[in-house]
Amino acid sequence: KNEVEQSPQNLTAQEGEFITINCSYSVGISALHWLQQHPGGGIVSLFMLSSGKKKHGRLIATINIQEKHSSLHITASHPRDSAVYICAVPMDSNYQLIWGAGTKLIIKP
Amino acid sequence: EAQVTQNPRYLITVTGKKLTVTCSQNMNHEYMSWYRQDPGLGLRQIYYSMNVEVTDKGDVPEGYKVSRKEKRNFPLILESPSPNQTSLYFCASSSTPVGGLRGSPLHFGNGTRLTVT
Repeated sequence: KNEVEQSPQNLTAQEGEFITINCSYSVGISALHWLQQHPGGGIVSLFMLSSGKKKHGRLIATINIQEKHSSLHITASHPRDSAVYICAVPMDSNYQLIWGAGTKLIIKP
Repeated sequence: EAQVTQNPRYLITVTGKKLTVTCSQNMNHEYMSWYRQDPGLGLRQIYYSMNVEVTDKGDVPEGYKVSRKEKRNFPLILESPSPNQTSLYFCASSSTPVGGLRGSPLHFGNGTRLTVT
Protein backbone atom coordinates (compact mmCIF):
# COMPACT_ATOMS: atom_id res chain seq x y z
CA LYS A 1 0.00 0.00 0.00
CA ASN A 2 1.42 3.38 -1.02
CA GLU A 3 1.89 5.56 2.02
CA VAL A 4 1.88 8.71 -0.12
CA GLU A 5 -0.92 9.12 -2.62
CA GLN A 6 -1.12 11.95 -5.12
CA SER A 7 -4.08 13.00 -7.20
CA PRO A 8 -4.70 13.47 -9.96
CA GLN A 9 -2.05 11.45 -11.78
CA ASN A 10 -2.42 13.62 -14.87
CA LEU A 11 -3.90 17.06 -15.26
CA THR A 12 -4.35 19.13 -18.40
CA ALA A 13 -5.61 22.69 -18.10
CA GLN A 14 -5.81 25.91 -20.04
CA GLU A 15 -3.50 28.83 -19.39
CA GLY A 16 -4.82 30.99 -16.59
CA GLU A 17 -6.69 28.29 -14.73
CA PHE A 18 -6.32 27.71 -10.99
CA ILE A 19 -4.60 24.37 -10.40
CA THR A 20 -4.83 22.10 -7.36
CA ILE A 21 -2.73 18.99 -6.80
CA ASN A 22 -3.39 16.84 -3.75
CA CYS A 23 -1.18 14.69 -1.58
CA SER A 24 -2.41 12.34 1.15
CA TYR A 25 -0.19 10.32 3.43
CA SER A 26 -0.75 7.64 6.02
CA VAL A 27 2.27 8.07 8.30
CA GLY A 28 2.79 10.63 11.01
CA ILE A 29 5.19 13.26 9.75
CA SER A 30 7.16 16.29 10.83
CA ALA A 31 7.18 17.95 7.41
CA LEU A 32 6.20 17.43 3.80
CA HIS A 33 8.15 18.26 0.65
CA TRP A 34 6.83 19.47 -2.69
CA LEU A 35 9.16 19.24 -5.68
CA GLN A 36 8.91 20.02 -9.36
CA GLN A 37 10.50 18.00 -12.14
CA HIS A 38 10.89 19.88 -15.39
CA PRO A 39 10.31 18.20 -18.77
CA GLY A 40 14.09 18.22 -19.22
CA GLY A 41 14.45 16.11 -16.08
CA GLY A 42 15.80 18.56 -13.51
CA ILE A 43 14.26 18.44 -10.01
CA VAL A 44 13.72 21.51 -7.88
CA SER A 45 12.48 21.71 -4.33
CA LEU A 46 9.45 24.02 -4.13
CA PHE A 47 8.36 23.85 -0.51
CA MET A 48 9.02 22.13 2.75
CA LEU A 49 6.22 22.71 5.23
CA SER A 50 5.08 21.34 8.54
CA SER A 51 1.97 23.43 9.18
CA GLY A 52 -0.30 26.01 7.65
CA LYS A 53 0.53 27.56 4.34
CA LYS A 54 3.52 28.75 2.34
CA LYS A 55 3.52 30.94 -0.76
CA HIS A 56 6.15 31.56 -3.39
CA GLY A 57 5.07 33.64 -6.34
CA ARG A 58 2.06 31.95 -7.92
CA LEU A 59 2.57 28.73 -5.97
CA ILE A 60 0.85 28.05 -2.67
CA ALA A 61 1.26 24.95 -0.54
CA THR A 62 -1.00 24.06 2.35
CA ILE A 63 -0.92 21.23 4.84
CA ASN A 64 -3.38 19.83 7.37
CA ILE A 65 -1.41 17.61 9.72
CA GLN A 66 -4.52 16.25 11.46
CA GLU A 67 -6.10 15.18 8.18
CA LYS A 68 -2.74 14.05 6.74
CA HIS A 69 -3.29 16.00 3.58
CA SER A 70 -1.46 18.64 1.61
CA SER A 71 -2.34 20.62 -1.49
CA LEU A 72 -0.26 22.50 -4.01
CA HIS A 73 -2.04 25.32 -5.79
CA ILE A 74 -0.93 27.27 -8.85
CA THR A 75 -2.69 30.53 -9.57
CA ALA A 76 -2.86 32.02 -13.07
CA SER A 77 -1.24 28.93 -14.55
CA HIS A 78 1.16 29.31 -17.46
CA PRO A 79 2.58 26.82 -19.98
CA ARG A 80 5.96 27.07 -18.24
CA ASP A 81 4.28 25.48 -15.17
CA SER A 82 4.03 22.25 -17.17
CA ALA A 83 5.99 19.71 -15.17
CA VAL A 84 5.66 16.74 -12.86
CA TYR A 85 4.90 17.75 -9.28
CA ILE A 86 5.96 15.34 -6.57
CA CYS A 87 5.23 15.26 -2.87
CA ALA A 88 7.33 13.35 -0.37
CA VAL A 89 7.26 12.74 3.37
CA PRO A 90 10.10 11.73 5.70
CA MET A 91 10.39 8.28 7.16
CA ASP A 92 10.83 7.93 10.91
CA SER A 93 14.59 7.99 10.49
CA ASN A 94 14.39 11.48 8.93
CA TYR A 95 17.10 10.43 6.46
CA GLN A 96 14.82 8.94 3.84
CA LEU A 97 11.71 10.10 2.04
CA ILE A 98 8.61 8.25 0.94
CA TRP A 99 7.85 9.55 -2.53
CA GLY A 100 4.54 10.10 -4.21
CA ALA A 101 4.17 8.92 -7.80
CA GLY A 102 3.91 12.47 -9.10
CA THR A 103 1.27 14.50 -10.92
CA LYS A 104 1.98 15.33 -14.53
CA LEU A 105 0.63 18.80 -15.27
CA ILE A 106 0.22 20.19 -18.79
CA ILE A 107 -0.87 23.79 -19.25
CA LYS A 108 -2.05 24.58 -22.75
CA PRO A 109 -1.74 28.11 -24.16
CA GLU B 1 26.44 29.80 -7.11
CA ALA B 2 25.14 27.10 -4.76
CA GLN B 3 24.80 23.89 -6.67
CA VAL B 4 25.08 20.14 -6.88
CA THR B 5 27.19 19.06 -9.83
CA GLN B 6 26.88 15.62 -11.37
CA ASN B 7 29.05 14.21 -14.11
CA PRO B 8 28.65 12.97 -16.70
CA ARG B 9 25.18 14.01 -17.92
CA TYR B 10 25.00 11.11 -20.34
CA LEU B 11 26.87 7.82 -20.26
CA ILE B 12 26.63 4.78 -22.50
CA THR B 13 28.64 1.77 -21.43
CA VAL B 14 28.80 -1.99 -21.77
CA THR B 15 27.96 -4.69 -19.28
CA GLY B 16 30.69 -5.27 -16.73
CA LYS B 17 32.76 -2.15 -17.35
CA LYS B 18 33.25 -0.35 -14.04
CA LEU B 19 32.10 3.24 -13.94
CA THR B 20 31.82 6.13 -11.51
CA VAL B 21 29.30 8.94 -11.50
CA THR B 22 30.62 11.92 -9.61
CA CYS B 23 28.62 14.25 -7.39
CA SER B 24 29.91 17.38 -5.74
CA GLN B 25 28.15 20.09 -3.72
CA ASN B 26 29.51 23.49 -2.72
CA MET B 27 27.04 24.26 0.08
CA ASN B 28 28.83 22.45 2.93
CA HIS B 29 25.86 20.12 3.25
CA GLU B 30 26.12 17.17 5.61
CA TYR B 31 23.48 14.99 3.98
CA MET B 32 23.86 13.56 0.48
CA SER B 33 21.90 10.93 -1.37
CA TRP B 34 21.69 9.03 -4.65
CA TYR B 35 18.43 8.20 -6.41
CA ARG B 36 17.48 6.39 -9.55
CA GLN B 37 14.36 7.19 -11.51
CA ASP B 38 12.66 4.73 -13.81
CA PRO B 39 9.41 5.13 -15.76
CA GLY B 40 6.43 4.16 -13.63
CA LEU B 41 8.57 3.63 -10.50
CA GLY B 42 9.34 7.17 -9.49
CA LEU B 43 12.39 8.08 -7.42
CA ARG B 44 14.06 5.32 -5.46
CA GLN B 45 16.91 5.89 -3.08
CA ILE B 46 20.12 3.94 -3.64
CA TYR B 47 22.41 5.12 -0.83
CA TYR B 48 22.64 8.08 1.47
CA SER B 49 25.27 9.65 3.65
CA MET B 50 24.75 11.56 6.89
CA ASN B 51 28.27 12.91 6.98
CA VAL B 52 31.87 12.11 6.07
CA GLU B 53 32.55 8.36 6.32
CA VAL B 54 28.91 7.67 7.30
CA THR B 55 26.78 5.99 4.64
CA ASP B 56 23.76 3.70 4.63
CA LYS B 57 21.72 1.70 2.17
CA GLY B 58 18.55 3.06 0.67
CA ASP B 59 15.80 1.08 -1.01
CA VAL B 60 17.75 -0.30 -3.98
CA PRO B 61 21.47 -0.58 -3.09
CA GLU B 62 22.27 -3.83 -4.91
CA GLY B 63 24.94 -3.40 -7.55
CA TYR B 64 26.08 0.01 -6.29
CA LYS B 65 28.79 1.34 -4.02
CA VAL B 66 29.37 4.79 -2.58
CA SER B 67 32.03 6.55 -0.58
CA ARG B 68 32.11 9.81 1.38
CA LYS B 69 35.73 10.67 2.02
CA GLU B 70 35.15 14.41 1.84
CA LYS B 71 32.09 16.41 2.76
CA ARG B 72 31.58 17.84 -0.73
CA ASN B 73 31.88 14.64 -2.78
CA PHE B 74 29.70 11.56 -2.92
CA PRO B 75 30.55 9.38 -5.94
CA LEU B 76 28.35 6.50 -7.09
CA ILE B 77 30.27 3.45 -8.25
CA LEU B 78 28.97 0.64 -10.42
CA GLU B 79 31.59 -2.12 -10.18
CA SER B 80 30.01 -4.33 -12.84
CA PRO B 81 27.11 -2.55 -14.53
CA SER B 82 24.23 -4.55 -15.94
CA PRO B 83 21.44 -3.54 -18.34
CA ASN B 84 18.93 -3.36 -15.46
CA GLN B 85 20.94 -0.43 -14.13
CA THR B 86 20.01 1.62 -17.17
CA SER B 87 18.27 4.56 -15.58
CA LEU B 88 18.26 8.28 -14.79
CA TYR B 89 20.35 8.97 -11.70
CA PHE B 90 20.15 11.95 -9.39
CA CYS B 91 22.42 13.11 -6.62
CA ALA B 92 20.93 15.35 -3.94
CA SER B 93 22.11 17.14 -0.83
CA SER B 94 20.65 19.02 2.11
CA SER B 95 22.11 20.84 5.08
CA THR B 96 20.30 18.63 7.58
CA PRO B 97 18.21 15.43 7.37
CA VAL B 98 15.09 15.71 5.24
CA GLY B 99 12.72 15.25 8.18
CA GLY B 100 12.41 16.31 11.77
CA LEU B 101 12.01 19.74 13.29
CA ARG B 102 15.24 20.96 11.65
CA GLY B 103 14.60 19.26 8.33
CA SER B 104 15.87 20.86 5.14
CA PRO B 105 14.85 20.75 1.49
CA LEU B 106 16.87 18.74 -1.01
CA HIS B 107 19.06 20.27 -3.71
CA PHE B 108 19.36 18.07 -6.78
CA GLY B 109 22.00 17.68 -9.43
CA ASN B 110 20.97 17.79 -13.09
CA GLY B 111 20.91 14.03 -13.44
CA THR B 112 22.95 11.39 -15.25
CA ARG B 113 21.30 9.31 -17.91
CA LEU B 114 23.05 5.94 -17.93
CA THR B 115 22.60 3.29 -20.60
CA VAL B 116 24.19 -0.13 -20.11
CA THR B 117 24.19 -2.37 -23.18
